[in-house]
Amino acid sequence: DVKVTQSSRYLVKRTGEKVFLECVQDMDHENMFWYRQDPGLGLRLIYFSYDVKMKEKGDIPEGYSVSREKKERFSLILESASTNQTSMYLCASSPVGVINTEAFFGQGTRLTVV
Amino acid sequence: AQSVTQLGSHVSVSEGALVLLRCNYSSSVPPYLFWYVQYPNQGLQLLLKYTTGATLVKGINGFEAEFKKSETSFHLTKPSAHMSDAAEYFCAVSEASGYSTLTFGKGTMLLVSP
Repeated sequence: DVKVTQSSRYLVKRTGEKVFLECVQDMDHENMFWYRQDPGLGLRLIYFSYDVKMKEKGDIPEGYSVSREKKERFSLILESASTNQTSMYLCASSPVGVINTEAFFGQGTRLTVV
Repeated sequence: AQSVTQLGSHVSVSEGALVLLRCNYSSSVPPYLFWYVQYPNQGLQLLLKYTTGATLVKGINGFEAEFKKSETSFHLTKPSAHMSDAAEYFCAVSEASGYSTLTFGKGTMLLVSP
């Protein structure tokens, strides 16, 4: 059974903290994605990666960075968390050559910044 | 550039009634189209997808969707709603050529009453 695992389901962090959201996939997929989900706005792409050490900005990269040191792991970093980054964060992966087809999603991390 | 419009942020049906969730897309090249479902506190799960070939696509849990190029639509239907269908549904598009990521609509919450 394919699996994308996000390290935390719920996180509460303070304004100004550095926050790491971790995502691991066991499907040997080359492509990995971080989305942010907000009510009424759907899913918006923050960053994606199509190979180890490669990263591309999505639609809303401001305030975020990412790291991909190993193929199976893709980390989202909030350098200095702010209250407007309170949201649901979803990680996804897909295999190379079919980037336009199915993406597999993790369970999500609900981040609250206070 | 690609975009997705889902008509209706909430749709209410009675158990046993027809489910119709509307999706219109915009894409400058032939699209790949997807419907995902999200149950409460879960990640997204693929319901069905259109890439090439038959324009009527069948998915899991009795759902189907028809790609209509002339109408730029990909509406999701199910003949008879079950209580377990209550969830949020997302339509997504990607471009069939070149390098493209998924662009999601804002989602439609399906409410099913007894």
